[in-house]
Amino acid sequence: RKEVEQDPGPFNVPEGATVAFNCTYSNSASQSFFWYRQDCRKEPKLLMSVYSSGNEDGRFTAQLNRASQYISLLIRDSKLSDSATYLCVVKLNTGFQKLVFGTGTRLLVSP
Amino acid sequence: DAGVTQSPTHLIKTRGQQVTLRCSPKSGHDTVSWYQQALGQGPQFIFQYYEEEERQRGNFPDRFSGHQFPNYSSELNVNALLLGDSALYLCASSFETGLKMNTEAFFGQGTRLTVV
Repeated sequence: RKEVEQDPGPFNVPEGATVAFNCTYSNSASQSFFWYRQDCRKEPKLLMSVYSSGNEDGRFTAQLNRASQYISLLIRDSKLSDSATYLCVVKLNTGFQKLVFGTGTRLLVSP
Repeated sequence: DAGVTQSPTHLIKTRGQQVTLRCSPKSGHDTVSWYQQALGQGPQFIFQYYEEEERQRGNFPDRFSGHQFPNYSSELNVNALLLGDSALYLCASSFETGLKMNTEAFFGQGTRLTVV
């Protein structure tokens, strides 16, 4: 079983749609949680950290459920520029910055 | 601030050859981690360097080795290249001195290695 599992997609949505991505992780020692965005043939970039209380950044909302070991990302009012791969990432509680990535979920927003 | 820089950006090598990839961390960062990203996959952790020593390693064979220099820059070496080593190699830097559990890791643009 993979440590971090995501639906690879692609998710094809029209502009203005709301889309949600889910992710599960298997290691209960996971300490920190993130969503990264990766454009085609580019490096991953941090989109947002994820907290148990949930957090929102503009059109993006992230949620963490530690009991279910489940992370989500909600994108409202999708833009063409949101087209990318969204990587679910956990950091294990080793004291060091080891990031474990899911395979990523590809989002395609069309006009 | 130049951010994390990697060189070269692209590289083509033949099976059995050796390759060295380079990474300069973001200014102020002291830790460098290397990741391998195969096509259609998420990045996989190779190893991490801190204070010029390897302090964590993922499930990669000994053909993968590295080094960190006093200025915190790092090299990734891969010996006896296989076709399966073709991937995007990403370097990430962070600041790890002290207990900073949620510091952001910044990635370089990667080196795309093709083994033929």
